[in-house]
Amino acid sequence: AQRVTQPEKLLSVFKGAPVELKCNYSYSGSPELFWYVQYSRQRLQLLLRHISRESIKGFTADLNKGETSFHLKKPFAQEEDSAMYYCALSGFQGAQKLVFGQGTRLTINP
Amino acid sequence: EADIYQTPRYLVIGTGKKITLECSQTMGHDKMYWYQQDPGMELHLIHYSYGVNSTEKGDLSSESTVSRIRTEHFPLTLESARPSHTSQYLCASSDTARWDTEAFFGQGTRLTVV
Repeated sequence: AQRVTQPEKLLSVFKGAPVELKCNYSYSGSPELFWYVQYSRQRLQLLLRHISRESIKGFTADLNKGETSFHLKKPFAQEEDSAMYYCALSGFQGAQKLVFGQGTRLTINP
Repeated sequence: EADIYQTPRYLVIGTGKKITLECSQTMGHDKMYWYQQDPGMELHLIHYSYGVNSTEKGDLSSESTVSRIRTEHFPLTLESARPSHTSQYLCASSDTARWDTEAFFGQGTRLTVV
């Protein structure tokens, strides 16, 4: 079974502070992990994926298979980072359904 | 322009009515999904499809049904709407032929059953 857990529903940090959004997953096969973001009044969109090892808008995420985690990090938060963030999981090359965690609402305080 | 479209954006309907939420994509994607987004913003997978004539139920039990007769079209139907069906419904699609399998989302349909 595929399962994604985001333990924090709400996270509030000050501008310029580091941010870490936690994500843990459960999956017996080879996972593909993603972070999606939903800004106010915009569509849900992909932020980054583990397979490409990219940094988008200053965010990075490392897949830790030993801890089954895929935490999202940014060293210096900006006000425009305020949004709803979802961790998502599918099987290798999208072979399985795409399931999401519960989401974390990130608020950056000025 | 290649995109994924959902209609209507907003729908207010009475209890017992039959409704169909439309979802179409012009990206040639094989996989399509329906999610229900609750007031706390949690996303629940209710239906998905790997291609034409393929439909599967998701993790959240739903009284809705779906069909996939054409690649680009994935409508969701409620035979008899109830207030408990009030929610935001999101449609998405992805292409398993691509290595990155990014899912693209529509703007959503906000359904209110009174």
